Parts: sequence; C-alpha cells; structure tokens
Amino acid sequence: GDSVTQMEGPVTLSEEAFLTINCTYTATGYPSLFWYVQYPGEGLQLLLKATKADDKGSNKGFEATYRKETTSFHLEKGSVQVSDSAVYFCALSTSQTGANNLFFGTGTRLTVIP
Amino acid sequence: DAEITQSPRHKITETGRQVTLACHQTWNHNNMFWYRQDLGHGLRLIHYSYGVQDTNKGEVSDGYSVSRSNTEDLPLTLESAASSQTSVYFCASSAFRGQGATEAFFGQGTRLTVV
Repeated sequence: GDSVTQMEGPVTLSEEAFLTINCTYTATGYPSLFWYVQYPGEGLQLLLKATKADDKGSNKGFEATYRKETTSFHLEKGSVQVSDSAVYFCALSTSQTGANNLFFGTGTRLTVIP
Repeated sequence: DAEITQSPRHKITETGRQVTLACHQTWNHNNMFWYRQDLGHGLRLIHYSYGVQDTNKGEVSDGYSVSRSNTEDLPLTLESAASSQTSVYFCASSAFRGQGATEAFFGQGTRLTVV
C-alpha cells in the first residue's frame, strides 16, 4: 500500500545551520507529495508540494524536489531560524479512488537554538 | 474567511462513555477526514467522507463512527471510550481533484483524555 517513511527525530540545530529532513515513499501510480508543518498547539498547515517528477516545491526558504528515481522528497533549508522550530510531516496523496487521501509520515521534530 | 473548526478543544471523559467531537468547515469542500495523532505514529486516518451520505473506514476505525448529513459537518463519535483512545484528534477537509495535489486544511485539534 501507499506509505511514507520519514527521518526519525528529534533534530536540534543551531540558528543558520543547514537543514535536511529525509523522506521516501512507496506508492502505486503517480502520487503528489507534500510537506506539512505543525507549530506548537496548532493544526497542520501546508508548507510546500510537488505534483510530478522533478518538480521542486518551495516556500519560506524551504525546498523539496520530487525524485521519482529514488522515490524521495527530502526537505531542505539553507539557514534555519528559531521560528522554524516545529514538527514537519512528509505526506503523499494518490487519486486512485478519485478523492485524494493523504498518507503521512511519523513527523520530525525540529528545534532550532539561538 | 473560510475556515475549519473543531470543538471542544479539550475533553476529559470516562471509560465507557460515548463522546462526539465536532468538525465544521466553511470551505465547501467535498472531502473531510478525521485523524488521530500519537507520538511515534504520526497522523493515522480514522474515517473519511467524499461527500454527503458517504463515509469510509480508515486505517484505525475500530471504536469510531462518523456521519455526513451535510457538506459542512463531519462529527466523530467514540461509541464507548477506551483509554487507548486518548489522543489528539484532527479534522481536515480538501476539495476534490481528479489528479491529486489538493491541499488539505486542518482544524486546531481536540485533545481527548479518557480516564
């Protein structure tokens, strides 16, 4: 079945460090891929997405490239800030049933220290 | 502005009681979902609906039920609450897209404690 495997956390970085959170997926067909972010006490919100192979999603300095050959969608940011501290979820969506269920990874908690 | 709201935000209940968590969206979305979030498991799908009168079981549906009588609401009922159902519950909605890539909008979550 469809699934997402995400890098185990927690991750602790100093401000301005480079961030990578790994995500690989298993899916039938051609899924869309997402990164969602959850700030403390809040629901999830979409960070970025990519709908086909080689697409790059980007937002707020974060980037992820849809790599079909390695079935990966790793999240990167060149210089993290304290305000980026949150839990990050990789997710995929397929339209096999025509209604776009989302499958989530287990989440990676990022803490950025000044 | 359109939004999705959950109530209550916090709930403590006793084992064996029936509990209903409310979810209301004003996006006019066809799709609605209930997830539970537990440490080490991420978000797991409980039930989902593709439209009025449509409901489907997700990955962890045992002990839960939903009904969809209108577009805006998808209440989640725990028939007989158990301690294993202590969790944070999230409702989400999305528009139908035949080719995927649809963004889901999440509520703020309901923290349920079963004692």
